[in-house]
Formats: sequence, C-alpha cells, structure tokens
Amino acid sequence: AQSVAQPEDQVNVAEGNPLTVKCTYSVSGNPYLFWYVQYPNRGLQFLLKYITGDNLVKGSYGFEAEFNKSQTSFHLKKPSALVSDSALYFCAVRPTYGGATNKLIFGTGTLLAVQP
Amino acid sequence: DAGVTQSPTHLIKTRGQQVTLRCSPKSGHDTVSWYQQALGQGPQFIFQYYEEEERQRGNFPDRFSGHQFPNYSSELNVNALLLGDSALYLCASSQGPGFEQYFGPGTRLTVT
Repeated sequence: AQSVAQPEDQVNVAEGNPLTVKCTYSVSGNPYLFWYVQYPNRGLQFLLKYITGDNLVKGSYGFEAEFNKSQTSFHLKKPSALVSDSALYFCAVRPTYGGATNKLIFGTGTLLAVQP
Repeated sequence: DAGVTQSPTHLIKTRGQQVTLRCSPKSGHDTVSWYQQALGQGPQFIFQYYEEEERQRGNFPDRFSGHQFPNYSSELNVNALLLGDSALYLCASSQGPGFEQYFGPGTRLTVT
C-alpha cells in the first residue's frame, strides 16, 4: 500500500538552531514530493516540492528539503529556526504510476515547536 | 487575487442528517479536490472534480458525493452522517488534474 511516514509526532528546537523534520515514503515509481504547513484553524500552505533534478530543493520562508531516492526520504530542513515556524508540518506524495495519480497522500504530521 | 474559499467555516449536524459544503477555487483553476482531515491525522483524499465530472476517488463510501459547476466551484455532500464524519474538510484547487494543489481554510464539521 502507498504510504507516507513522519516518524516524529513532535520536534522541539531552540530558536536559531537548525531543524529537521523527517519524512519517508512507500510509493511505486518516481512520485512528486511536497511539504505543507498548517497553522491553527487554517488550511494547508504549500512550502516546497520535488519533481526532478537537484536533490536539494528550496522553498518558502527559508525552508529546504533533501530528497534521497535510495532511502525514499524527503526531510524538511531549515538552517535557523524561528519561533514563528512553530506549526504542524505535513509531508505529501503524489503518485505518478498506476491509478489515482492526481491525489496527494499525506503523512500524519509533525508538530514543530520552536522555543525562544 | 482571492485564494480558495470555503463555506461555511463551522457546521454542527446531528447523526443521520445530510450536509453540503461549498468551495470556490482560486482564480484560473479548473480542478477541485476534497480531503477529510480527522483530528490528529493527515488529510485523506475523498475525490477530485474536473470538467464537472468526478475523475478520481479515494476510499470513501457512496455517502460522500460531489458536484462541480460550470464556474468550477464545487460542493461536497455527505448523507446519513456518522459521528466519525466529524473532521476538517479541505478543498484544494489546481490549474488541472495533475498540477499543484492550493488549499482553502477548511470547513470544520461536528456531528453530534
């Protein structure tokens, strides 16, 4: 079955420190990969995506993500965390093989808490 | 430029009732997808509408149905509501079925 795993329910980091939010996936073929952020009582906001090319992709608000095909991972990173980065982060995959290739498959989310 | 809008913001229904949720896509977008986000979970794909037809569907029962209008706006209908249908319902629009999806703020449905 196609799935996305975010192994950490919560990540705690001090402001100014680097952060990493982990994501691995189990999807056939070469899926498209996404990160979204959700603030309380808000919808999902797009951060970045990987389709092809350079394994390090840069996105909004200083975030970047590293794609590793052999490990089927797509970890979200930021060199220096801000308190305002505190939110719920979702990794998502769009299959490109087989049926239902237009849907997004989401992980369960990781709550990022940045302490001042 | 208005983004994706959804109405209502919140809704409370009783078990067995029916509900209709509405979505207006971002300007220039013609494809609408619906997702259900239960508390503490990631969004789950319900279905996608393009050219006024349901193009893809996730693992949801027939109680969940939808419609897309000529102006690309969409409705999600849920019949015979169950307590387990309580969730945040998210609408996402895109420029086409395979393009990047932009999400609305969601409708919070509570079934009592």
